[in-house]
Amino acid sequence: NAGVMQNPRHLVRRRGQEARLRCSPMKGHSHVYWYRQLPEEGLKFMVYLQKENIIDESGMPKERFSAEFPKEGPSILRIQQVVRGDSAAYFCASSPLAGGPNEQFFGPGTRLTVL
Amino acid sequence: GQQLNQSPQSMFIQEGEDVSMNCTSSSIFNTWLWYKQDPGEGPVLLIALYKAGELTSNGRLTAQFGITRKDSFLNISASIPSDVGIYFCAGQNSGGSNYKLTFGKGTLLTVNP
Repeated sequence: NAGVMQNPRHLVRRRGQEARLRCSPMKGHSHVYWYRQLPEEGLKFMVYLQKENIIDESGMPKERFSAEFPKEGPSILRIQQVVRGDSAAYFCASSPLAGGPNEQFFGPGTRLTVL
Repeated sequence: GQQLNQSPQSMFIQEGEDVSMNCTSSSIFNTWLWYKQDPGEGPVLLIALYKAGELTSNGRLTAQFGITRKDSFLNISASIPSDVGIYFCAGQNSGGSNYKLTFGKGTLLTVNP
């Protein structure tokens, strides 16, 4: 059973370009979460999605950032017109369908560098 | 919003020593999780705690969910070089549709062979 997969592992963009980060959850998991980690910091929640629905985007900047989790295919975190401050590690986590507290399993992350 | 204070920020110990780190919160969580992160990798779940007062072990790791639900600690016994990494606590308030994790800033552990 493969774990959470993210690609690319490393992404370099120039200011003003777009960044697309992909996440495939663990098999059988229907909940996806995106977190951002700045150097020497803990992870900060961005957005929580289920298939075709955004459940909680309270941690995501209102502008330039968007996320989706379509019926088919991976979840995508999209950052438009990137700026240097967007440089960070972006982690995706997934959890199984569950009615109570649930454990989130993380992917290896995408390290975004904005030049 | 909720904040987690994790301490110590870093530890430098000799192989074989025991280690203890803790997390305190300004508000209540109903789940605590401990993760380990190696350089260039994602966090790996070590232990999950679901009940106040719960004490759970995973090999040489032991974690407790504080009775006030505002704190948790992680102990590592007889440390080995591969214990090196950053340890994060995370709190969760599941319920409704919100399962987001709130993370501490991490404890960097270095083990001297």
